[in-house]
Amino acid sequence: DAGVTQSPTHLIKTRGQHVTLRCSPISGHKSVSWYQQVLGQGPQFIFQYYEKEERGRGNFPDRFSARQFPNYSSELNVNALLLGDSALYLCASSLPRGTDTQYFGPGTRLTVL
Amino acid sequence: LAKTTQPISMDSYEGQEVNITCSHNNIATNDYITWYQQFPSQGPRFIIQGYKTKVTNEVASLFIPADRKSSTLSLPRVSLSDTAVYYCLVGDRATGGFKTIFGAGTRLFVKA
Repeated sequence: DAGVTQSPTHLIKTRGQHVTLRCSPISGHKSVSWYQQVLGQGPQFIFQYYEKEERGRGNFPDRFSARQFPNYSSELNVNALLLGDSALYLCASSLPRGTDTQYFGPGTRLTVL
Repeated sequence: LAKTTQPISMDSYEGQEVNITCSHNNIATNDYITWYQQFPSQGPRFIIQGYKTKVTNEVASLFIPADRKSSTLSLPRVSLSDTAVYYCLVGDRATGGFKTIFGAGTRLFVKA
């Protein structure tokens, strides 16, 4: 079975640019969540989407946005990049069973110069 | 919002049993307790999940007392490859959405 996939693997941007990260969930999973993980810290929740609707949002500025497509894949967009946005961005998918077990992808390493 | 507290780091030797305890005093009735393992530059990997008493799978056991205010992840006979960060999470259902809160985790170092 294919796990959660994310693209690209690595990305280098400069301040002020925009970035789009992509995620494909495990087949059959309808919920996708996004996390930001800064080096040395635990993942921080950004968004959760279920059935193409936003179900939860963490404490991130409006520069961060996301969407989920009919095939349940998802995109995370970050505008006006800052140096502090450099991090590992993780996508996780889950079944809507109410037990919150999430399966994570390998992440996208974003470096902002 | 339910939060968790874990030791920052732990050391062990190969072949030993490792127990990592997590405190979650504000756990809600419907919340589950989930543990993840993370290696550097990889996404967290699900280890085990439970609601109460004891859960065991092929890699770990999870012990949850009756008051559910803490839980203990038990890793039997650890090896060098078990060196990783271990996160304890409590399922949180904020009004209008879902949030999963990771703490700083416990960095386990397994020595030869």
